Amino acid sequence: GQQLNQSPQSMFIQEGEDVSMNCTSSSIFNTWLWYKQDPGEGPVLLIALYKAGELTSNGRLTAQFGITRKDSFLNISASIPSDVGIYFCAGFTNSGNTPLVFGKGTRLSVIA
Amino acid sequence: DTAVSQTPKYLVTQMGNDKSIKCEQNLGHDTMYWYKQDSKKFLKIMFSYNNKELIINETVPNRFSPKSPDKAHLNLHINSLELGDSAVYFCASSQLGGWGQYFGPGTRLTVT
Repeated sequence: GQQLNQSPQSMFIQEGEDVSMNCTSSSIFNTWLWYKQDPGEGPVLLIALYKAGELTSNGRLTAQFGITRKDSFLNISASIPSDVGIYFCAGFTNSGNTPLVFGKGTRLSVIA
Repeated sequence: DTAVSQTPKYLVTQMGNDKSIKCEQNLGHDTMYWYKQDSKKFLKIMFSYNNKELIINETVPNRFSPKSPDKAHLNLHINSLELGDSAVYFCASSQLGGWGQYFGPGTRLTVT
């Protein structure tokens, strides 16, 4: 089935640093979503992107829908300890009843 | 006030048993999903229901049977549990065509 390649797999950063992660696919996606999962919890939707080239912010988070529609990135500025978690990209290749495809996640650790 | 709730949170059982996981959403969404997250944190869709009708059924063993008594509930029944069924199962909901899916807290199933 469809796969999303998410990188990096894990990151260790100092508090206050900026973070960047991305997601690529060999197929065109119509929608990109970014989720965060805290330990023992379900994924929480952070940002949704619906149009190629779209740049959307949610507080210190910024995500972009790649112009080729085959990639997306997520930036976190001035990281804080509560940013720790697993970040997943996800997307739909089509409208209607196609399943949401998830990347394998980026595990973020923030060192205070 | 929980948007998507699941019970139980933890489920430990022996091979061969039959068990059910319940999910309820109070968001007024018309579409609900079951996902499986393996030990490597990979999230994969299992089923999707819209207004009590099955619309997505990925390649899941037929020991797994979802049931939707109404559009606010989607339960998952698993027969003849196997060791490989051990995982975290997430319920989610959304509006059909609304790309933001909201996840429950997960049910950690351990089969011994």
